[in-house]
Amino acid sequence: DQQVKQNSPSLSVQEGRISILNCDYTNSMFDYFLWYKKYPAEGPTFLISISSIKDKNEDGRFTVFLNKSAKHLSLHIVPSQPGDSAVYFCAATPLNAGGTSYGKLTFGQGTILTVHP
Amino acid sequence: DVKVTQSSRYLVKRTGEKVFLECVQDMDHENMFWYRQDPGLGLRLIYFSYDVKMKEKGDIPEGYSVSREKKERFSLILESASTNQTSMYLCASTLGQGYGYTFGSGTRLTVV
Repeated sequence: DQQVKQNSPSLSVQEGRISILNCDYTNSMFDYFLWYKKYPAEGPTFLISISSIKDKNEDGRFTVFLNKSAKHLSLHIVPSQPGDSAVYFCAATPLNAGGTSYGKLTFGQGTILTVHP
Repeated sequence: DVKVTQSSRYLVKRTGEKVFLECVQDMDHENMFWYRQDPGLGLRLIYFSYDVKMKEKGDIPEGYSVSREKKERFSLILESASTNQTSMYLCASTLGQGYGYTFGSGTRLTVV
């Protein structure tokens, strides 16, 4: 039962254009969402997060949008750069689960982003 | 700067061997996790620990066990390695809810 889904295994974008990575979730208890970026042979690194009390969070070239009613979030990268080429993982957690989640994250399958020069 | 260190980057083991993957964090985090990453399947939780000697099964614990004797160290044990356990193994730690993870660099395990 995949509670966090990234339905696009890969995305190819031209340098300078916008990259949009999508993520859907099914668990209504999830209220905190994160994006991680992973290069080959390295561990994932935190990129950006959003709480369910917001619908948008921005950090430089990265913006995450949350649509709670649709249980959908997206990561926008503008402008895309070749160094952004990596695997992007969406993750979710129930922040207000009364301390029983221990910060456990549920991840999607990942989307391989390739940015062409 | 929090560091999570996994002792081996690459490992090759034979079927049936007992395999130990070690993970150490240096920021006094309570919670530690072991995931495996496989193409098309993303990161799947094997086990996690929320305190010394405390552990809980994740989504795919079969064939694995864990040990947490000290707060900073969390070990993943493959009791009898099989070829379907060939994967990238990632250790992570966190302060708790809302803090996100810090990951180690991963161990690429190949079982032959």
